[in-house]
Order: sequence, then structure tokens, then C-alpha cells
Amino acid sequence: DGGITQSPKYLFRKEGQNVTLSCEQNLNHDAMYWYRQDPGQGLRLIYYSQIVNDFQKGDIAEGYSVSREKKESFPLTVTSAQKNPTAFYLCASSIMAGLAKNIQYFGAGTRLSVL
Amino acid sequence: RKEVEQDPGPFNVPEGATVAFNCTYSNSASQSFFWYRQDCRKEPKLLMSVYSSGNEDGRFTAQLNRASQYISLLIRDSKLSDSATYLCVALISGGGADGLTFGKGTHLIIQP
Repeated sequence: DGGITQSPKYLFRKEGQNVTLSCEQNLNHDAMYWYRQDPGQGLRLIYYSQIVNDFQKGDIAEGYSVSREKKESFPLTVTSAQKNPTAFYLCASSIMAGLAKNIQYFGAGTRLSVL
Repeated sequence: RKEVEQDPGPFNVPEGATVAFNCTYSNSASQSFFWYRQDCRKEPKLLMSVYSSGNEDGRFTAQLNRASQYISLLIRDSKLSDSATYLCVALISGGGADGLTFGKGTHLIIQP
């Protein structure tokens, strides 16, 4: 089945540690996105990528890094510089042309907590 | 500044009733709109897309009022399974991948 897979489902980070969240899609979508959702809050864009080897900062990129070495994969690293990383992280993807462009489909998310 | 505003609720509605809630947007360049449904601790899932004046899909109807800059979602004959948070999303015209703005969501509880 086609879809977006995020792993792990739950992740715990120690102080000063970098952690990487995985996002893989087999929908052949061009664009991929990372969002952060805090309780009672809307989704905030961290980074997005429209093409392999290229990505742009979203509204809250500080303390995060990404890579897009393959079309299918868009991992997110939460660095030690991110002082408040506890949140629900959602990865999404979309096509960039046609009637369905910009409709984003989401993975099941990763819940990150600080130990 | 791009903003999408929603009444957070919760809306407590008896099963079988009709419920409607609005979403207002501040950026007049917003071109397309989406309603997503998000269950507790789950990912958002697309419910409807709205590109013109509105859209209807079964018990769900979305209506767009560009003059007043709001979009509404109407749910008829509500079911217990409709209980969820409904996210309103606006896409700015000409906006690229970062042109989407998400509202904080409206929490709906359907009561038996």
C-alpha cells in the first residue's frame, strides 16, 4: 500500500542529544514537509523540500536540520539547540502539479519527549 | 501576517443533530481551502477540498464566503464517529510549498 511512514512512533531525548526522526513515502510525491504540533496548537512548518537535494526553512526551523538525498526520504534531526523539543512531529507529502497539488498527506507522527 | 482562526470549542452536539462551524482567514490572497479531520493523538486526514464556492460530500458541506473571508463546515445527521478535531487550512494564491496555513482546530464531541 502507498503511504507515508514515520518512525519511531515514540522517541525520548536526553539533554544535549541530537535525535533523528525518519519519514519515508512511496507515493512518488515531489514535496515533503515537517510540522510540529503542540497541544491545542495548529501545525507549524519546520522545513520543506520540493526536490531532491534542496530544502527550505519554514516558520520554526531553528534547532532543526533536514536532508533530502532521496525523493522518498526526508529525515528530520532535532538538535541540542532546540530547547523545547517535546511535541508531536508530523511529516507530510504532496504532489506539485495537477488538480491535487498542495494537498498534503500525513504520516502517523512521532511523539518526542525529553527525559 | 497569515492567519486562520477557528473557534476551539468544544462543540457538544447530540447524535443526529446538524452542526456547523466557521473558519476565518485574514489573507485575502488565500485561494484554496481544505478541511482536515484529526482524531486524538493521530495524524490529520483530508476531509474536503474547497476551490470555488463550496463542496459537498455526503453529510459534509463546506461553503466559502470570499467577501467575508470565511469558510464553514456543516455536518448533517452527526454520528458518534464524527467526534474529532477539524482543522481548517488555507492556501495562499501563488504560494509554494510553504503557502499553507493551518488553523488550531475545532473540537467536536458527538454525544449519544
